[in-house]
Formats: sequence, structure tokens, C-alpha cells
Amino acid sequence: AQRVTQPEKLLSVFKGAPVELKCNYSYSGSPELFWYVQYSRQRLQLLLRHISRESIKGFTADLNKGETSFHLKKPFAQEEDSAMYYCALNMDSSYKLIFGSGTRLLVRP
Amino acid sequence: DVKVTQSSRYLVKRTGEKVFLECVQDMDHENMFWYRQDPGLGLRLIYFSYDVKMKEKGDIPEGYSVSREKKERFSLILESASTNQTSMYLCASSSDQMTGPPYPHYGYTFGSGTRLTVV
Repeated sequence: AQRVTQPEKLLSVFKGAPVELKCNYSYSGSPELFWYVQYSRQRLQLLLRHISRESIKGFTADLNKGETSFHLKKPFAQEEDSAMYYCALNMDSSYKLIFGSGTRLLVRP
Repeated sequence: DVKVTQSSRYLVKRTGEKVFLECVQDMDHENMFWYRQDPGLGLRLIYFSYDVKMKEKGDIPEGYSVSREKKERFSLILESASTNQTSMYLCASSSDQMTGPPYPHYGYTFGSGTRLTVV
């Protein structure tokens, strides 16, 4: 069963436009959600975690348990935001993360 | 300051060969993972280990095995490589000290990946 769904394979926006990368999850317990990012020729790295309610590089993500969503948002996209973004779910504080299929964000000048 | 090192960046192997992918971490992490990354499929967990000599199957363990003889090293083994195992393989580690409620782990540290091509 698909636990983490990222419906968009590619999202293309112009610089300065708002960005929303969608993530929906399937889990009835208390989820722990993360966003990971992979810039070109770099390793995959943690962007933010829902539990810390932080804003990293202007990105925020709010866990909506009613809609089982954890969308990643940024009000004004920058060209350096172009990357592959993965949403990930941890269930029951287990050791492992379940990743979505990823969304490639392309920010055009 | 590389913390998770994968021994090869690119690897080309022939069908039927036995292939070893090595991963070493220097953060004294308890947990180590092997994922494969494929376009449109994201990251899929192959195997993970939460302690030395301990291993558990992930979502796609068929055709793979692992070895963890030392805490810092986690090896992925393709017993008989096949063309459908052509992929990017990512190793990751995490610490037990960062797991469990109320604040779960701070996330994985990933290696730079090994792109394996089986011909």
C-alpha cells in the first residue's frame, strides 16, 4: 500500500512565484513527517521535520491530520530551490523511513 | 566532513556477478539502511540494521543480502546481479539517541550514492 504520495513528478514555477509541493500520507497512528531535498550532484539531506515547526530556507510545512497531508510551501521561489524533494513518513517511531516518489522542482528565471 | 561514505560512485558489473556495495559511517550511529533510488519510484528500502550482526528486510529485499560485522560498516550484496538491479543505491545512518517519542529522530545522514549498472 502506498503510504506516502507525491502526486506531482515535476513542478515548474517562475522565480518569485509561490511554491507548494504536495504530500499525502496513509497512516492511522501518530505520524512523523519529514521533507528531504537533493540538489544536483549532492547527497540527499534533511530539509525539515514537522515536529520542530521550523522554517528552513524559507520553506515551511504543516501537518494536517484531518487531510493527512504535509505539503511543503514557500512564498517566493528562488532559482537555487531547484532540486528533487522527497516527503518521508516514520510510523510508530520505528527505525525506518518510508519515502514518496519525489517531486522535481524547477524554478525558472 | 564526509560522514557516510560509499566506496564507489559508479560501478559496472556483468549479469550473474556477485556485487558488494560498501558503506561506512563515522558517527557511531546504531542504525544503517540501504535504499535504491529509481525515477518515479522514489526511495525504496532494501534492508536495514539496528545493531551489529542484526538485520531486517525492508520492502524489496529479493535478490539482496546484507552484512554488518562492525558498527560502522554496512555492506549490500547482490548475490547474482541482474539488469533490473541497475539503479542508484543510497546508504544512510541514524542514531538511536534521536528516536522515540516525543521527538523522533532528527533524520538520516545519507551517503553520496553508488550508481550501479548491470550489463
